[in-house]
Amino acid sequence: EDQVTQSPEALRLQEGESSSLNCSYTVSGLRGLFWYRQDPGKGPEFLFTLYSAGEEKEKERLKATLTKKESFLHITAPKPEDSATYLCAVHEFYFGTGTSLTVIP
Amino acid sequence: DTEVTQTPKHLVMGMTNKKSLKCEQHMGHRAMYWYKQKAKKPPELMFVYSYEKLSINESVPSRFSPECPNSSLLNLHLHALQPEDSALYLCASSHRGQGNTEAFFGQGTRLTVV
Repeated sequence: EDQVTQSPEALRLQEGESSSLNCSYTVSGLRGLFWYRQDPGKGPEFLFTLYSAGEEKEKERLKATLTKKESFLHITAPKPEDSATYLCAVHEFYFGTGTSLTVIP
Repeated sequence: DTEVTQTPKHLVMGMTNKKSLKCEQHMGHRAMYWYKQKAKKPPELMFVYSYEKLSINESVPSRFSPECPNSSLLNLHLHALQPEDSALYLCASSHRGQGNTEAFFGQGTRLTVV
């Protein structure tokens, strides 16, 4: 059975304090791992797709990486507007539990 | 344009009512999805349509009935719901529905069952 686990559950950062979010997965034959951002009361917003171990994608202050067992979302010098819940998902979009990020000015 | 449009944005219904949620996309995607999301929980997959055929039903109660009239439209018919069915209902679409391309989500319908 496909499983996706995210940690930490919640993360508070000072503005400019870089950190990483973890997504661990157990699937048979990874077809795609997806990162999304979700603001309260809104639908998830697509960020990245990763397909194979060693792959990296970047967008502004965010960088996603993938190994055979986990993916990381690295946030460099975050700003308050980066505050959101970050979700990872596999295959037919089975989501992990998410990490709620708060960036304090 | 990566827009998925859901209507209505908010819906309040009684337990004996029948209502429908609607979803539309014009990206040429051939897979469409319904999710249910409770507060502070991740989206939970309900149904997947691939090429207008139901390909995944995650053991959803029969009071939820999906329909895919064509490749651009997806409906979710609701009947005899319970208060615990109150949630944000999200629609999404992706290119082929084979789990290897990203999905784009609508803004959801906030459903309250009274």
